[in-house]
Amino acid sequence: AQSVTQLDSHVSVSEGTPVLLRCNYSSSYSPSLFWYVQHPNKGLQLLLKYTSAATLVKGVNGFEAEFKKSETSFHLTKPSAHMSDAAEYFCVVTLRTGNQFYFGTGTSLTVIP
Amino acid sequence: KAGVTQTPRYLIKTRGQQVTLSCSPISGHRSVSWYQQTPGQGLQFLFEYFSETQRNKGNFPGRFSGRQFSNSRSEMNVSTLELGDSALYLCASSPTRWRGDSYNEQFFGPGTRLTVL
Repeated sequence: AQSVTQLDSHVSVSEGTPVLLRCNYSSSYSPSLFWYVQHPNKGLQLLLKYTSAATLVKGVNGFEAEFKKSETSFHLTKPSAHMSDAAEYFCVVTLRTGNQFYFGTGTSLTVIP
Repeated sequence: KAGVTQTPRYLIKTRGQQVTLSCSPISGHRSVSWYQQTPGQGLQFLFEYFSETQRNKGNFPGRFSGRQFSNSRSEMNVSTLELGDSALYLCASSPTRWRGDSYNEQFFGPGTRLTVL
């Protein structure tokens, strides 16, 4: 079976401070992992993708994530939060043996000025 | 390249009616997936089409159906609407699903907001 768990439903940070959004996955096979962001009333946009080429993945807008197989984690980080980062973030896992994306329940990020 | 487009953007229907939503993928993309997003259930996979064939289906009742045309455009249909079908329906496309070492990312449209009264 496969699933993805986002450990925090809400995260609040002050502008300029680091962001950490946590994601753990459960998979019997080598997964592909993604982070997507959804701004209010907008579709989902890809932030970054893990493809097994490198465990540290850099994405757009300064976001990055590290794949840790031993911890089955794929946490999203950003050194300094910006007001425009306020949005809903989704961790997604998909498998070689399946054709569907499994979404986490999402983490709502609030950035305090 | 134009992104994924979905029509209509907003729709209001009453219980018992049926509805058809349309999705035009990015040019050259052959895989189209549909998702339902609700506050209570989050994002749930409906089905995926590739080259006019349904390749995978989520855990939804038979009232939810879809199809894909030869130009990769896709439609989904919901018959006998229920109040619980009110949701944002998202369509996503990708060139193929598997590229040899990992899955391709999916590109999402803005969604169709369906309200069932």
